[in-house]
Amino acid sequence: SQTIHQWPATLVQPVGSPLSLECTVEGTSNPNLYWYRQAAGRGLQLLFYSVGIGQISSEVPQNLSASRPQDRQFILSSKKLLLSDSGFYLCALFTGTGLFFGSGTQLSVL
Amino acid sequence: QKEVEQNSGPLSVPEGAIASLNCTYSDRGSQSFFWYRQYSGKSPELIMFIYSNGDKEDGRFTAQLNKASQYVSLLIRDSQPSDSATYLCAVNTGNQFYFGTGTSLTVIP
Repeated sequence: SQTIHQWPATLVQPVGSPLSLECTVEGTSNPNLYWYRQAAGRGLQLLFYSVGIGQISSEVPQNLSASRPQDRQFILSSKKLLLSDSGFYLCALFTGTGLFFGSGTQLSVL
Repeated sequence: QKEVEQNSGPLSVPEGAIASLNCTYSDRGSQSFFWYRQYSGKSPELIMFIYSNGDKEDGRFTAQLNKASQYVSLLIRDSQPSDSATYLCAVNTGNQFYFGTGTSLTVIP
């Protein structure tokens, strides 16, 4: 079965600091991978998706970037965090019958 | 991003009643449709998916799709307190999945 590893579960970062969130998957090869952000009380916003190594599609202009250095690794980064970057960050993979989500990272930018 | 609209609620129903959740979408090219349940502080869990017009039943859940009206709904029969959560509608176009803001459901014992 497929598994998604996301860490850390919670993160508190000062404004202007860098960010790196890693997502790794198991039990599948060449998956479509996704990064979503959910602001407090809001829906899920699609940030990036990737259909393969080095292939990144961005949905929303922002100070975030994503990379896919390996087939089962998807990384979300920022050079300088903003207050508005606070939220619940979720990595997901497409299973063929829908998206399966990791447990998420709750990021607070202070 | 493509528009997916849901009534934010909150929707309250008594235990044992039918809960009806609705969703509309803007992109006629959307191919498949999903309902997720999300408990507070947790990641969304897939409940059902539907591709074709009509109804699809899975246990206490029924998804209904009307592509002409760009409308998808979820019925929960015999609602239980454990069904209290936020329900997210999602649509898929190509490789992209877009979500509504969710409807908060409370089932009152």
